Amino acid sequence: EVQLLESGGGLVQPGGSLRLSCAASEFAFSNFAMSWVRQAPGKGLEWVSAISGSGSDTYYADSVQGRFTISRDNSENTLFLQMNTLRAEDTAMYYCAKAINSAWPLNWFDPWGRGTLVTVSS
Amino acid sequence: DIVMTQSPLSLPVTPGEPASISCRSSQSLLHRNGYNYLHWYLQKPGQSPQLLIYLGSYRASGVPDRFSGSGSGTDFTLTISRVEAEDVGFYYCMQTLQTPYTFGQGTKLEIK
Repeated sequence: EVQLLESGGGLVQPGGSLRLSCAASEFAFSNFAMSWVRQAPGKGLEWVSAISGSGSDTYYADSVQGRFTISRDNSENTLFLQMNTLRAEDTAMYYCAKAINSAWPLNWFDPWGRGTLVTVSS
Repeated sequence: DIVMTQSPLSLPVTPGEPASISCRSSQSLLHRNGYNYLHWYLQKPGQSPQLLIYLGSYRASGVPDRFSGSGSGTDFTLTISRVEAEDVGFYYCMQTLQTPYTFGQGTKLEIK
């Protein structure tokens, strides 16, 4: 069974940085694009970023472009999200999600991890 | 960006009765390959979203056959033939034809 385990969330002050990780197992990690999706408290889902299977192509929502960087280590089966210049509106549960193939776009997510909570507050 | 609009946003249902959720997109989600890049997710209370339907009408592995998806282009529907108590939660449609991927606002299904 595919496993996705996020970590790295926590409380950070506005303007600060955090690095999220997603440890993947039980599938050929480098064969699949991966993505981050977030959910603000009591709100809906918002796609944040994605990366191709090889890591050569990355994609971002306008709301995080220039502040967040997605990357992956295929030797360690781990996905990352470096989040800089954090704002209060970045407060959310951040989910790691596996795409159904290596391409982007024209895929979808299955499964999702349990998420890691990021709180941006002074 | 493609805007996704769901209705209703709240759906109280009696167990055993059917339920339907509509999802409309601001642009056609039909690719030239013949597939609609519209998918449905259910987020049960306290859980992460789980895939129900992909490409408009294909049921994901392990999803009960009381769930079905239909539609094409800009209008899509998720139908539950007989609602059960375990079906409560938020239902989201998502388009993946273009980046940025976008979601509907979510429909909260609750049991009467």
